[in-house]
Amino acid sequence: VQLVESGGGLVQPGKSLKLSCSASGFTFSSYGMHWIRQAPGKGLDWVAYISSSSGTVYADAVKGRFTISRDNAKNTLYLQLNSLKSEDTAIYYCARNFARGVMDAWGQGASVTVSS
Amino acid sequence: EIVLTQSPNTMAASPGEKVTITCRASSSVSYMYWYQQMSDASPKLWIYDTSKLASGVPDRFSGSGSGTSYSLTINTMEAEDAATYYCQQCCSTPLTFGSGTKLEIK
Repeated sequence: VQLVESGGGLVQPGKSLKLSCSASGFTFSSYGMHWIRQAPGKGLDWVAYISSSSGTVYADAVKGRFTISRDNAKNTLYLQLNSLKSEDTAIYYCARNFARGVMDAWGQGASVTVSS
Repeated sequence: EIVLTQSPNTMAASPGEKVTITCRASSSVSYMYWYQQMSDASPKLWIYDTSKLASGVPDRFSGSGSGTSYSLTINTMEAEDAATYYCQQCCSTPLTFGSGTKLEIK
């Protein structure tokens, strides 16, 4: 199982960014997927979940600003980040859903810095 | 939202020492999950369904608990166990994590 995030970077407040997570080593279409973030020096913060059938759930802090999606043909998970705020600065991890909202495989993370 | 409170926030243990990390939930949960995060690395699932060890986890680790009180125990501390450990509840959205326990080796 391998998950590789990309698309991170430095972005100004109010701007947008799109993260990707390329999956391999398992049948991507059969699994739900999560995005989790970790602000510098802080703990883990769940962001969003998409089921194998593309149902979605979001944390309140990102609802209406972030969109999780997937392309099963490309084995890729996405996170569209809009209206970014300084408090969105974090490493963003994608993770495979093991069962019942548990993450059994994590990517290496993509760093997002929101600053003017 | 279910708030998970871990204790202690940080601790140091000597090799061979027994270590216990606790996680208390603001509401009853059916299971607890634990992740290990080494410095500058991604988290790894460590214990699932309260007491089951993830693949490759040494059997000196154990998990227990029910309702609102859960714990992770290391029977005999080893240097490679130095890391931050997070508890997580699976089944009520938003999914939530504890604030983490940083475990250091003396």
